[in-house]
Amino acid sequence: GEDVEQSLFLSVREGDSSVINCTYTDSSSTYLYWYKQEPGAGLQLLTYIFSNMDMKQDQRLTVLLNKKDKHLSLRIADTQTGDSAIYFCAESYSNTDKLIFGTGTRLQVFP
Amino acid sequence: NAGVTQTPKFQVLKTGQSMTLQCAQDMNHNSMYWYRQDPGMGLRLIYYSASEGTTDKGEVPNGYNVSRLNKREFSLRLESAAPSQTSVYFCASSAAAGRGPSETQYFGPGTRLLVL
Repeated sequence: GEDVEQSLFLSVREGDSSVINCTYTDSSSTYLYWYKQEPGAGLQLLTYIFSNMDMKQDQRLTVLLNKKDKHLSLRIADTQTGDSAIYFCAESYSNTDKLIFGTGTRLQVFP
Repeated sequence: NAGVTQTPKFQVLKTGQSMTLQCAQDMNHNSMYWYRQDPGMGLRLIYYSASEGTTDKGEVPNGYNVSRLNKREFSLRLESAAPSQTSVYFCASSAAAGRGPSETQYFGPGTRLLVL
Protein backbone atom coordinates (compact mmCIF):
# COMPACT_ATOMS: atom_id res chain seq x y z
CA GLY A 1 0.00 0.00 0.00
CA GLU A 2 0.90 3.64 -0.15
CA ASP A 3 3.20 4.83 2.59
CA VAL A 4 4.96 8.13 3.11
CA GLU A 5 7.75 8.16 5.67
CA GLN A 6 9.51 10.95 7.49
CA SER A 7 11.76 11.17 10.51
CA LEU A 8 9.89 12.47 13.52
CA PHE A 9 12.22 15.16 14.86
CA LEU A 10 14.87 17.61 13.70
CA SER A 11 16.64 20.16 15.84
CA VAL A 12 18.77 22.96 14.34
CA ARG A 13 20.46 26.14 15.47
CA GLU A 14 19.05 29.46 14.30
CA GLY A 15 20.78 30.58 11.10
CA ASP A 16 21.73 27.05 10.02
CA SER A 17 20.08 25.17 7.17
CA SER A 18 17.45 22.53 7.87
CA VAL A 19 16.89 19.51 5.65
CA ILE A 20 13.71 17.50 6.09
CA ASN A 21 13.52 14.20 4.24
CA CYS A 22 10.64 12.12 2.97
CA THR A 23 10.28 8.85 1.10
CA TYR A 24 7.15 7.93 -0.81
CA THR A 25 5.88 4.89 -2.66
CA ASP A 26 3.47 5.88 -5.43
CA SER A 27 5.57 6.44 -8.54
CA SER A 28 2.48 7.70 -10.40
CA SER A 29 2.18 10.76 -8.15
CA THR A 30 2.09 13.80 -10.38
CA TYR A 31 2.74 16.36 -7.69
CA LEU A 32 4.42 16.15 -4.30
CA TYR A 33 3.73 18.63 -1.57
CA TRP A 34 5.18 20.14 1.58
CA TYR A 35 2.81 21.45 4.23
CA LYS A 36 3.63 23.32 7.46
CA GLN A 37 1.63 23.07 10.68
CA GLU A 38 2.24 25.65 13.38
CA PRO A 39 1.17 24.86 16.95
CA GLY A 40 -2.60 24.75 17.37
CA ALA A 41 -3.26 25.42 13.70
CA GLY A 42 -4.21 23.58 10.55
CA LEU A 43 -1.84 22.72 7.72
CA GLN A 44 -0.68 25.36 5.25
CA LEU A 45 0.75 24.57 1.86
CA LEU A 46 4.41 25.59 1.68
CA THR A 47 5.35 24.46 -1.78
CA TYR A 48 4.87 21.69 -4.30
CA ILE A 49 6.93 20.14 -7.07
CA PHE A 50 5.86 18.59 -10.33
CA SER A 51 7.13 15.03 -10.67
CA ASN A 52 9.15 15.71 -13.82
CA MET A 53 11.25 18.31 -12.00
CA ASP A 54 14.39 17.63 -9.98
CA MET A 55 14.47 20.84 -8.03
CA LYS A 56 12.33 23.83 -7.18
CA GLN A 57 13.51 26.92 -5.33
CA ASP A 58 11.24 29.43 -3.64
CA GLN A 59 13.06 32.06 -1.56
CA ARG A 60 14.54 30.21 1.45
CA LEU A 61 12.95 26.90 0.44
CA THR A 62 14.53 24.36 -1.89
CA VAL A 63 12.75 21.14 -2.82
CA LEU A 64 14.77 18.27 -4.26
CA LEU A 65 13.13 15.26 -5.88
CA ASN A 66 14.86 11.98 -6.68
CA LYS A 67 12.28 9.95 -8.58
CA LYS A 68 14.50 6.91 -8.90
CA ASP A 69 14.79 6.58 -5.13
CA LYS A 70 11.32 8.08 -4.45
CA HIS A 71 12.98 10.59 -2.14
CA LEU A 72 11.83 14.14 -1.51
CA SER A 73 13.58 16.72 0.62
CA LEU A 74 12.86 20.24 1.83
CA ARG A 75 15.78 22.52 2.63
CA ILE A 76 15.17 25.69 4.61
CA ALA A 77 18.06 28.14 4.41
CA ASP A 78 18.88 30.49 7.31
CA THR A 79 16.38 28.75 9.59
CA GLN A 80 14.56 31.09 11.97
CA THR A 81 12.68 30.44 15.21
CA GLY A 82 9.47 31.15 13.30
CA ASP A 83 10.20 28.07 11.20
CA SER A 84 9.61 25.85 14.25
CA ALA A 85 6.64 23.71 13.27
CA ILE A 86 5.68 20.27 12.01
CA TYR A 87 6.39 19.69 8.31
CA PHE A 88 4.40 17.16 6.31
CA CYS A 89 5.20 15.81 2.90
CA ALA A 90 2.32 14.44 0.85
CA GLU A 91 1.84 12.57 -2.40
CA SER A 92 -1.24 12.20 -4.51
CA TYR A 93 -2.86 8.78 -4.23
CA SER A 94 -3.14 6.61 -7.33
CA ASN A 95 -3.89 9.51 -9.64
CA THR A 96 -6.82 10.73 -7.60
CA ASP A 97 -7.29 14.02 -5.81
CA LYS A 98 -6.65 12.38 -2.46
CA LEU A 99 -3.37 13.04 -0.73
CA ILE A 100 -1.38 10.64 1.44
CA PHE A 101 0.48 12.47 4.18
CA GLY A 102 3.64 11.49 5.96
CA THR A 103 3.83 11.30 9.73
CA GLY A 104 5.29 14.79 9.95
CA THR A 105 8.72 16.04 11.08
CA ARG A 106 8.79 18.33 14.10
CA LEU A 107 11.42 21.01 13.49
CA GLN A 108 12.76 22.77 16.55
CA VAL A 109 14.97 25.82 16.08
CA PHE A 110 17.06 26.93 19.03
CA PRO A 111 19.00 30.17 19.44
CA ASN B 1 -12.91 35.24 2.44
CA ALA B 2 -12.65 33.02 5.54
CA GLY B 3 -11.30 29.93 3.76
CA VAL B 4 -12.18 26.75 5.66
CA THR B 5 -13.96 27.11 8.99
CA GLN B 6 -14.68 24.42 11.56
CA THR B 7 -16.89 24.30 14.63
CA PRO B 8 -16.51 23.62 17.45
CA LYS B 9 -12.85 24.28 18.29
CA PHE B 10 -12.89 22.02 21.34
CA GLN B 11 -15.27 19.35 22.59
CA VAL B 12 -15.34 16.87 25.47
CA LEU B 13 -17.69 13.90 25.16
CA LYS B 14 -18.52 10.92 27.29
CA THR B 15 -18.32 7.46 25.76
CA GLY B 16 -21.50 6.74 23.83
CA GLN B 17 -22.48 10.34 23.22
CA SER B 18 -22.98 11.62 19.70
CA MET B 19 -21.91 14.84 18.05
CA THR B 20 -21.49 16.48 14.66
CA LEU B 21 -18.43 18.41 13.57
CA GLN B 22 -19.22 21.16 11.11
CA CYS B 23 -17.06 22.37 8.24
CA ALA B 24 -17.67 25.07 5.65
CA GLN B 25 -15.58 26.57 2.85
CA ASP B 26 -16.18 29.74 0.87
CA MET B 27 -13.73 29.09 -1.98
CA ASN B 28 -16.23 27.36 -4.27
CA HIS B 29 -14.20 24.16 -4.02
CA ASN B 30 -15.58 20.90 -5.32
CA SER B 31 -13.76 18.46 -3.07
CA MET B 32 -13.86 18.32 0.72
CA TYR B 33 -12.12 16.02 3.20
CA TRP B 34 -12.13 14.97 6.83
CA TYR B 35 -8.88 13.85 8.50
CA ARG B 36 -7.88 12.88 11.96
CA GLN B 37 -4.44 13.64 13.35
CA ASP B 38 -2.90 11.47 16.04
CA PRO B 39 0.62 11.70 17.51
CA GLY B 40 3.20 9.88 15.40
CA MET B 41 0.63 8.92 12.76
CA GLY B 42 0.30 12.02 10.67
CA LEU B 43 -3.03 12.72 9.04
CA ARG B 44 -5.35 9.91 8.12
CA LEU B 45 -8.28 10.39 5.76
CA ILE B 46 -11.65 9.49 7.25
CA TYR B 47 -14.03 10.41 4.42
CA TYR B 48 -13.99 12.67 1.42
CA SER B 49 -16.45 14.16 -1.01
CA ALA B 50 -15.37 14.77 -4.60
CA SER B 51 -18.47 16.79 -5.39
CA GLU B 52 -21.80 17.80 -3.94
CA GLY B 53 -23.93 14.74 -3.34
CA THR B 54 -21.08 12.22 -3.30
CA THR B 55 -19.05 10.81 -0.42
CA ASP B 56 -16.44 8.07 -0.23
CA LYS B 57 -14.61 6.27 2.53
CA GLY B 58 -11.01 7.06 3.27
CA GLU B 59 -8.48 5.11 5.27
CA VAL B 60 -10.25 5.08 8.67
CA PRO B 61 -14.05 5.47 8.18
CA ASN B 62 -15.31 3.14 10.92
CA GLY B 63 -17.33 4.90 13.60
CA TYR B 64 -18.01 7.96 11.46
CA ASN B 65 -20.62 9.21 9.02
CA VAL B 66 -20.53 12.25 6.77
CA SER B 67 -22.97 14.48 4.94
CA ARG B 68 -22.17 16.79 2.04
CA LEU B 69 -25.03 19.14 2.74
CA ASN B 70 -24.28 21.42 -0.20
CA LYS B 71 -21.18 22.59 -2.04
CA ARG B 72 -20.01 24.66 0.94
CA GLU B 73 -20.62 22.32 3.86
CA PHE B 74 -19.33 18.88 4.83
CA SER B 75 -20.17 17.52 8.27
CA LEU B 76 -18.70 14.61 10.22
CA ARG B 77 -20.84 12.71 12.70
CA LEU B 78 -19.84 10.44 15.55
CA GLU B 79 -22.92 8.41 16.44
CA SER B 80 -21.52 6.75 19.56
CA ALA B 81 -18.19 8.24 20.59
CA ALA B 82 -15.39 6.00 21.85
CA PRO B 83 -12.12 6.93 23.61
CA SER B 84 -10.25 5.76 20.49
CA GLN B 85 -11.82 8.70 18.66
CA THR B 86 -9.98 11.20 20.85
CA SER B 87 -8.05 13.14 18.25
CA VAL B 88 -7.71 16.40 16.38
CA TYR B 89 -10.01 16.55 13.39
CA PHE B 90 -9.24 18.62 10.32
CA CYS B 91 -11.46 19.51 7.44
CA ALA B 92 -9.93 20.47 4.11
CA SER B 93 -11.09 21.44 0.65
CA SER B 94 -9.58 21.52 -2.82
CA ALA B 95 -10.60 23.07 -6.10
CA ALA B 96 -11.29 20.07 -8.29
CA ALA B 97 -11.06 16.36 -8.65
CA GLY B 98 -8.07 16.00 -10.94
CA ARG B 99 -4.38 16.41 -11.23
CA GLY B 100 -2.15 19.36 -10.67
CA PRO B 101 -2.07 22.21 -8.21
CA SER B 102 -5.87 22.04 -8.06
CA GLU B 103 -5.16 19.14 -5.71
CA THR B 104 -3.83 21.66 -3.24
CA GLN B 105 -5.80 21.23 -0.10
CA TYR B 106 -6.69 24.11 2.22
CA PHE B 107 -7.17 23.22 5.85
CA GLY B 108 -9.38 24.45 8.63
CA PRO B 109 -7.98 25.19 12.10
CA GLY B 110 -9.08 21.84 13.55
CA THR B 111 -11.42 20.52 16.22
CA ARG B 112 -9.85 19.01 19.34
CA LEU B 113 -12.03 16.18 20.62
CA LEU B 114 -11.61 14.34 23.91
CA VAL B 115 -13.75 11.28 24.58
CA LEU B 116 -13.79 10.15 28.21
